[in-house]
Amino acid sequence: DGGITQSPKYLFRKEGQNVTLSCEQNLNHDAMYWYRQDPGQGLRLIYYSQIVNDFQKGDIAEGYSVSREKKESFPLTVTSAQKNPTAFYLCASSTRRGTGELFFGEGSRLTVL
Amino acid sequence: LAKTTQPISMDSYEGQEVNITCSHNNIATNDYITWYQQFPSQGPRFIIQGYKTKVTNEVASLFIPADRKSSTLSLPRVSLSDTAVYYCLVGDVVNTGFQKLVFGTGTRLLVSP
Repeated sequence: DGGITQSPKYLFRKEGQNVTLSCEQNLNHDAMYWYRQDPGQGLRLIYYSQIVNDFQKGDIAEGYSVSREKKESFPLTVTSAQKNPTAFYLCASSTRRGTGELFFGEGSRLTVL
Repeated sequence: LAKTTQPISMDSYEGQEVNITCSHNNIATNDYITWYQQFPSQGPRFIIQGYKTKVTNEVASLFIPADRKSSTLSLPRVSLSDTAVYYCLVGDVVNTGFQKLVFGTGTRLLVSP
């Protein structure tokens, strides 16, 4: 079945360490997105990519980095520069434009110890 | 960007119809209205999308008045499994894509037996 796979589902990290969250989609979508969600809050856009080898900062990109070397993959690295990285991270994909929906993965919960 | 306002929370009982209204007074001509559902620790899931009048699918109906300054998501005969957060989003997905969509805090629906 087509969909978006995020891994790991849960991740613990010590302060000062970088961590990379995986996001893979087999929906043949051009656009992919990373969101952050804090408890009781909505989703905030970190980075998005509309095409391979190109990506743009979202509203809260500081302390994060991404790459888009393949259409299917859009990994997110949470760097040690991110001051408060403990959160629920969601990856999504879509067509570049047009009506329809954002397809979300199941999320990765990162906890910094 | 069109800003949306929706109730923070709503309560209902099993078998009742639930109507969640979203206000978007500065909606633009090309903006579509989309609703998502999110369960705890999961990614949001697309429910329904519309531009004007009424849209119905197998899970919900979306009512949009002629002035498009508000919209109402109608969930018929809710069950306990409909307990979730519901997001109303407004944006020109056709021309600018999905990265401009803003997920606010949504409406937390609690369905009781």
